[in-house]
Amino acid sequence: ELKVEQNPLFLSMQEGKNYTIYCNYSTTSDRLYWYRQDPGKSLESLFVLLSNGAVKQEGRLMASLDTKARLSTLHITAAVHDLSATYFCAVDRLDSSYKLIFGSGTRLLVRP
Amino acid sequence: SAVISQKPSRDICQRGTSLTIQCQVDSQVTMMFWYRQQPGQSLTLIATANQGSEATYESGFVIDKFPISRPNLTFSTLTVSNMSPEDSSIYLCSVGGRYNEQFFGPGTRLTVL
Repeated sequence: ELKVEQNPLFLSMQEGKNYTIYCNYSTTSDRLYWYRQDPGKSLESLFVLLSNGAVKQEGRLMASLDTKARLSTLHITAAVHDLSATYFCAVDRLDSSYKLIFGSGTRLLVRP
Repeated sequence: SAVISQKPSRDICQRGTSLTIQCQVDSQVTMMFWYRQQPGQSLTLIATANQGSEATYESGFVIDKFPISRPNLTFSTLTVSNMSPEDSSIYLCSVGGRYNEQFFGPGTRLTVL
């Protein structure tokens, strides 16, 4: 059974600091996705990582994928309050079903 | 990316009743997906809805409880039947993108009393 684990589950950090969210998964896959969810809102697609070594950056967020280690990271640089949200990673099952398995989510709170 | 709308955006329902949630996409798509997100939790896939065939349900979800219709390539409905407070969740529909990333509708927030 494919499992996707994120850590930490909750992260409280000060503005201006750096931190990394980790996403581990249990089976071979070379497609991984990161999403953002604001309270009471739906999910917004942040990054699509399609191969080993893929790195994508948008503003203060950078995502990477290591398929050999079955690990993706979401790095936050110089956090600002607007980044406060819940971040989910999801893995493509690659079984022709087009289904994704989601991690448990990391709730990020950026304090002034 | 597709533009997806859902109706209703939220509802408060009584135990034992049913609610039908509508999902409309602005382009034709082969697959549509229905997810449930319980309070403070991650997303769980309920079923995949293909046009012209029966929906495919994930383990733990059954058609009698969550009947799905897919009458055309831009529309689907999910019914939550015989509701109990445990059904209180956000229900999301989604469609796949070019790289199978999912694009989500705004969600339906359901509270069952």
